[in-house]
Amino acid sequence: EVQLVESGGGLVKPGGSLRLSCAASGIAFTDAWMSWVRQAPGKGLEWVGRIESETDGGTTVYAAPVKGRFTVSRDDSKNTLFLEMNSLSTEDTAMYYCTTLSYWGQGTLVTVSS
Amino acid sequence: DIQMTQSPPSLSASVGDRITITCQASQDIRNRLNWYQQKPGKAPKPLIYDASKLEAGVPSRFSGSGSGTHFAFTISSLQPEDIATYYCHQYENFPRTYGQGTRLEIK
Repeated sequence: EVQLVESGGGLVKPGGSLRLSCAASGIAFTDAWMSWVRQAPGKGLEWVGRIESETDGGTTVYAAPVKGRFTVSRDDSKNTLFLEMNSLSTEDTAMYYCTTLSYWGQGTLVTVSS
Repeated sequence: DIQMTQSPPSLSASVGDRITITCQASQDIRNRLNWYQQKPGKAPKPLIYDASKLEAGVPSRFSGSGSGTHFAFTISSLQPEDIATYYCHQYENFPRTYGQGTRLEIK
């Protein structure tokens, strides 16, 4: 059974930082291209960024609103995906999902508020 | 960026009805389109990939069609458990983009 389990969300002040993790099991993680997608409360889906498999180069791509502030990385030895988020603003408040597109985690909630 | 225009934004139908949701891309995305179902408080669930291919385990009443810029998602016979919000998603270009969603309700 495929499982993607996000963690690391919480309440953070504007300007703060947070690191999300996504632990994967049941998939060939080393071959997987992984993405982060977020959803603000009551809103639609917004793609955040993607990382290729290391075999394919490990290249990252980001959405414009997060480029330069967010970093997607992976640790294939631990089957884990990360999202490092810096300079957070209230507009980053959302549920954050990790996904292979075919499989999704349950999400972790990030709230940016003073 | 590729804009995905999804319609209608909401839809009310009866059990057994055939319903169709459309998605128009602002430029050619070939068949690089997903459809997702999202129920309240849950993660999106992929239903269709490559515009018309059914994900494993998805009931056959769901189908997708189209290529290029015009796409459609159909439920052939609406069931009570299909109440959800549905999204199209293009993965032809970066940034990946989604339609605004269609909220489906039972009459």
